[in-house]
Amino acid sequence: EPEVTQTPSHQVTQMGQEVILRCVPISNHLYFYWYRQILGQKVEFLVSFYNNEISEKSEIFDDQFSVERPDGSNFTLKIRSTKLEDSAMYFCASSEYPTGTGLTDTQYFGPGTRLTVL
Amino acid sequence: ILNVEQSPQSLHVQEGDSTNFTCSFPSSNFYALHWYRWETAKSPEALFVMTLNGDEKKKGRISATLNTKEGYSYLYIKGSQPEDSATYLCASPRGGYQKVTFGTGTKLQVIP
Repeated sequence: EPEVTQTPSHQVTQMGQEVILRCVPISNHLYFYWYRQILGQKVEFLVSFYNNEISEKSEIFDDQFSVERPDGSNFTLKIRSTKLEDSAMYFCASSEYPTGTGLTDTQYFGPGTRLTVL
Repeated sequence: ILNVEQSPQSLHVQEGDSTNFTCSFPSSNFYALHWYRWETAKSPEALFVMTLNGDEKKKGRISATLNTKEGYSYLYIKGSQPEDSATYLCASPRGGYQKVTFGTGTKLQVIP
């Protein structure tokens, strides 16, 4: 069964450094998402992406964050200058159709990347 | 209700018991309600996407209902098994079709 993959599984970085988290969505999916979960807190939406542009983003997704689909398979989340509070589990997800349309818009999640900022 | 809320936070049931838990969400500007099952060290797994008031969906021993007018959804597990032990998350787009807001989850432990 097709699945979303993420690399690395764990990333440790120093405060102020740039990190790139990588995701390979399911191949026929067109909609891509990043979420994060800070330890002990809710899963939070960061951004959705379609047709090579951001379709929606949350207040968390400020100028420090960017997303890109550099080729036909990868979807990346870049954090330009990491802060301690960016430490979290970051999940990528993809769907065939956009959420909320009533179509088959099930989002499939990757296993996550645990980011630790020291 | 201003946010997506779930109750209870955690639940212990004996194997074979049936159980249910609740997701509450703002009834205004409703788009969809998602249920996920999240086992430790695995990816959240989509169970149901529900969009219409009165929707009932079923997957094996797990079923869900949706009331968009009063803003709640119930998830039922019939004859709980140890492998049902997981955190069950609900989520609903708020403030945009894709700005999905998650509840805190209900952690279910099924005791053999």
